[in-house]
Amino acid sequence: DGGITQSPKYLFRKEGQNVTLSCEQNLNHDAMYWYRQDPGQGLRLIYYSQIVNDFQKGDIAEGYSVSREKKESFPLTVTSAQKNPTAFYLCASSNHAGGSQPQHFGDGTRLSIL
Amino acid sequence: AQTVTQSQPEMSVQEAETVTLSCTYDTSESDYYLFWYKQPPSRQMILVIRQEAYKQQNATENRFSVNFQKAAKSFSLKISDSQLGDAAMYFCAYLSDSGTYKYIFGTGTRLKVLA
Repeated sequence: DGGITQSPKYLFRKEGQNVTLSCEQNLNHDAMYWYRQDPGQGLRLIYYSQIVNDFQKGDIAEGYSVSREKKESFPLTVTSAQKNPTAFYLCASSNHAGGSQPQHFGDGTRLSIL
Repeated sequence: AQTVTQSQPEMSVQEAETVTLSCTYDTSESDYYLFWYKQPPSRQMILVIRQEAYKQQNATENRFSVNFQKAAKSFSLKISDSQLGDAAMYFCAYLSDSGTYKYIFGTGTRLKVLA
């Protein structure tokens, strides 16, 4: 079955540490996204990528970095500059050939500070 | 810039009854897409329904239907015969057809279903 795989499901970060969240999709989608969700809140866009080797900042990119070296993969690094990283992180992908389609989402990664 | 507003932070409905969740958006574009997503306690995001702005006919998926009013920029979700499994956060989302690929989400409505 095609889908999006996020790993790990739970992640803990120490002070001053960078951590990387993995997102892999086998849907052959061109576009990929990272969202942050705080408790009881909506989704806020961190970064998105329309094609390989290209990405754009979303609304809350500070303290985060991404890469898009392969179509299937869009890892998110939460750097030590992100002072409040505790949140639920969702990765998504979408295809826009022949008309825009809804996003498909992974199951998310919950990040906490130790 | 486009915005999406969900003015009801929380709604309740009796099992088997009907409930309507509100969504309004602001845009100057004429071509776009609208979506409703459901997020149950498992936190997985599930597509409920999709509407293309150029279509006048309201989208329907089983017990879920929308009331799309383009002039009023309104996109409400009606859930008929509510079930306990419908309890979740519901998010409205907007996507421009201009090629930006950037989805705009509302803040969500938490739906409680009472037995």
